[in-house]
Amino acid sequence: SQELEQSPQSLIVQEGKNLTINCTSSKTLYGLYWYKQKYGEGLIFLMMLQKGGEEKSHEKITAKLDEKKQQSSLHITASQPSHAGIYLCGADTSGATNKLIFGTGTLLAVQP
Amino acid sequence: GAVVSQHPSRVICKSGTSVKIECRSLDFQATTMFWYRQFPKQSLMLMATSNEGSKATYEQGVEKDKFLINHASLTLSTLTVTSAHPEDSSFYICSARGWTRDNQPQHFGDGTRLSIL
Repeated sequence: SQELEQSPQSLIVQEGKNLTINCTSSKTLYGLYWYKQKYGEGLIFLMMLQKGGEEKSHEKITAKLDEKKQQSSLHITASQPSHAGIYLCGADTSGATNKLIFGTGTLLAVQP
Repeated sequence: GAVVSQHPSRVICKSGTSVKIECRSLDFQATTMFWYRQFPKQSLMLMATSNEGSKATYEQGVEKDKFLINHASLTLSTLTVTSAHPEDSSFYICSARGWTRDNQPQHFGDGTRLSIL
């Protein structure tokens, strides 16, 4: 069973629009990480969240982790074509092994 | 920042061939390395975790005799796909964990696209 669910699976937005991607777990997370991937390439680290209620921003991207540490959202403001790609949430669900499991992924396309 | 180099980036070979993929941490010591597999339009699936000097721990459903992992040093891990068949074609990504100045849990290689004819 998939431990991390992402929604939506894919998203097409017009340039300049805001968007939100969600990542939900049935278990409490010890750490939640957001990555971006271009097709056929490695992962680019975006942000790390560890505390319940934590929120971090970098340029036009903001990520939040809920108080229960089971749900995270990634919000992009005024999207640009450079934001296009696959967004993956990764999480440490055990706190002991440093092993990450990944969400189902969200494919984002930004239309100029 | 911490850099992980994965080689080769792409390999095409005939069915029955064994293929070796290398994963190197260039500027830090990797106490743990991870190997992932990614099918088209899907997420990363963890295959195995390897700690330097010990046997790899494989995830459920991953054949350890098919996917041989060696982590002989603190900077190098290899994944060998033995007697590869077309169904082994996929995108393989490694990651490394070690003492780095940033807070990233793992640092990822750029992946290897394996195509078996």
